[in-house]
Amino acid sequence: NAGVTQTPKFRVLKTGQSMTLLCAQDMNHEYMYWYRQDPGMGLRLIHYSVGEGTTAKGEVPDGYNVSRLKKQNFLLGLESAAPSQTSVYFCASSYPRGEQFFGPGTRLTVL
Amino acid sequence: DQQVKQNSPSLSVQEGRISILNCDYTNSMFDYFLWYKKYPAEGPTFLISISSIKDKNEDGRFTVFLNKSAKHLSLHIVPSQPGDSAVYFCAATDPGTYKYIFGTGTRLKVLA
Repeated sequence: NAGVTQTPKFRVLKTGQSMTLLCAQDMNHEYMYWYRQDPGMGLRLIHYSVGEGTTAKGEVPDGYNVSRLKKQNFLLGLESAAPSQTSVYFCASSYPRGEQFFGPGTRLTVL
Repeated sequence: DQQVKQNSPSLSVQEGRISILNCDYTNSMFDYFLWYKKYPAEGPTFLISISSIKDKNEDGRFTVFLNKSAKHLSLHIVPSQPGDSAVYFCAATDPGTYKYIFGTGTRLKVLA
């Protein structure tokens, strides 16, 4: 049981480049979330999904897009990376109103 | 506007003593609260939770107290151990959505 996995673990991008972060879970959870963590800001919700084929915006969605084509995967895309998107990104999954299980994080630097 | 607040960014406690971490919230509709622990370079891990119909929940050395009238919850760790040194986040669920709202975290350091 791998739980929640994230790919890649680290990435450095130049301003304007694009990339996709992959989150996968093997717990059959309906809900999946993408957060970013910045110093002094806690965990801020970017986008979330309550089921396959559904997505919704969180607190800080601008500059990001997501897709949930399969129940076990939740992709976070940056179409044109900006230095303000330098952060640590965490994916999480859960049953409805249950505890969230987090992945190990992706550390992204945008130069 | 921060709906879940952890006003103490850091806390130091001697090993064996009690650690008390505090969390305040503004939305009276929040009905489920959770505490997570996070070590450096790892994702947060779930610690303990409490429903708004309760005022206390215990799990081993960890106890969470909820005061709905004050919109305040606290996490007590007794006795504190060096391995408890981590960042602790409180979170609340908004029943109107499927979101979990997190506080900014408190860094606990347990001194041996």
